[in-house]
Amino acid sequence: GNSVTQMEGPVTLSEEAFLTINCTYTATGYPSLFWYVQYPGEGLQLLLKATKADDKGSNKGFEATYRKETTSFHLEKGSVQVSDSAVYFCALSEFGNEKLTFGTGTRLTIIP
Amino acid sequence: EAGVAQSPRYKIIEKRQSVAFWCNPISGHATLYWYQQILGQGPKLLIQFQNNGVVDDSQLPKDRFSAERLKGVDSTLKIQPAKLEDSAVYLCASSPQGEQFFGPGTRLTVL
Repeated sequence: GNSVTQMEGPVTLSEEAFLTINCTYTATGYPSLFWYVQYPGEGLQLLLKATKADDKGSNKGFEATYRKETTSFHLEKGSVQVSDSAVYFCALSEFGNEKLTFGTGTRLTIIP
Repeated sequence: EAGVAQSPRYKIIEKRQSVAFWCNPISGHATLYWYQQILGQGPKLLIQFQNNGVVDDSQLPKDRFSAERLKGVDSTLKIQPAKLEDSAVYLCASSPQGEQFFGPGTRLTVL
């Protein structure tokens, strides 16, 4: 079956540091890949997505590239801010099926 | 545009009691999902509706969980009877096609 493995947290960084959160996946066929973010007290929000190999999703300074050869979709940001503190989830859906399979989430805390 | 609404936001019950959660999706969204998010884990799909029909309920523990979506709009998820391991956040999401929009969730504690 499908699965998503995320880098374990929590992750604590200083403001303006470089961020990488690793995500690898196992899937049959050609899945779409997503990063969702959950800010304190709020629901999950789609941060970015990529639907085919070598696509790069980007939003709010975050980027992730769909790497089929390494089955990875690592999340990166060049300079994090305190407001980026949240829980980040990597997820996938199979082609033609909207059902999402999530990773366990990575809690990110940015200190000023 | 109003988001996905869920109620209650918090619920505490004792084991073997019953509980129900309500979800109002974004207007016009045909697909509705219920997820269970246990502490420290990612959300797990329980059931998916397309309008008022069930598309996928393979992960729903049908001996105690039930869900309905009357008239293809609001939905309720019920647990009867609850077990300690049902303590989790129950998330509702809706989708027009493609991106899913999530509600704030209902945090259930079973004592």
